[in-house]
Amino acid sequence: KNEVEQSPQNLTAQEGEFITINCSYSVGISALHWLQQHPGGGIVSLFMLSSGKKKHGRLIATINIQEKHSSLHITASHPRDSAVYICAVILGFSQKLVFGQGARLTINP
Amino acid sequence: DSGVTQTPKHLITATGQRVTLRCSPRSGDLSVYWYQQSLDQGLQFLIQYYNGEERAKGNILERFSAQQFPDLHSELNLSSLELGDSALYFCASSVGGAGVSYNEQFFGPGTRLTVL
Repeated sequence: KNEVEQSPQNLTAQEGEFITINCSYSVGISALHWLQQHPGGGIVSLFMLSSGKKKHGRLIATINIQEKHSSLHITASHPRDSAVYICAVILGFSQKLVFGQGARLTINP
Repeated sequence: DSGVTQTPKHLITATGQRVTLRCSPRSGDLSVYWYQQSLDQGLQFLIQYYNGEERAKGNILERFSAQQFPDLHSELNLSSLELGDSALYFCASSVGGAGVSYNEQFFGPGTRLTVL
């Protein structure tokens, strides 16, 4: 079993829909990253969080440390949001990222 | 643009060969991390350098080695290449990289390595 599990692994939605991608982890962490990878391959850091909630534009990330769970929400989704969204956790006091398998999101116009 | 640069963008080579991938961190960042993304394994941490010294090691093969130079740029050397080494190789950098507090990592655009 992977230390970091994401769901769903594939998601197709219509433009304007509210999107939720989930991340569950089984180990103690000090922080969690949400990353976005576009078809070209580049990786962009969306959020880093260790508690609570963060918002940036139409993106919202939440984390519940007790339940070992994080969610990434996209409001008013747009075709340009189509990408792979990757959850990565930082184990304990290390600086190493452990990655989920990614969630492929496709937003149709 | 994250401020992290990687060269080359694409690299095509043959089995048995040796290649060097280069990474320049964001200005002021002391840590460099190397990651491999292959189709079957996903993203995996390879190695971290902090201010010139190896700080953490992940799933890095013995055929692979890395170093960080005094100007803080880093190189990942891959030798005796095999077909399975074909992957995207990312580097990331962060301000810190030691101690108890985690510092956000910023990713470079990656180098796509194809081994034929």
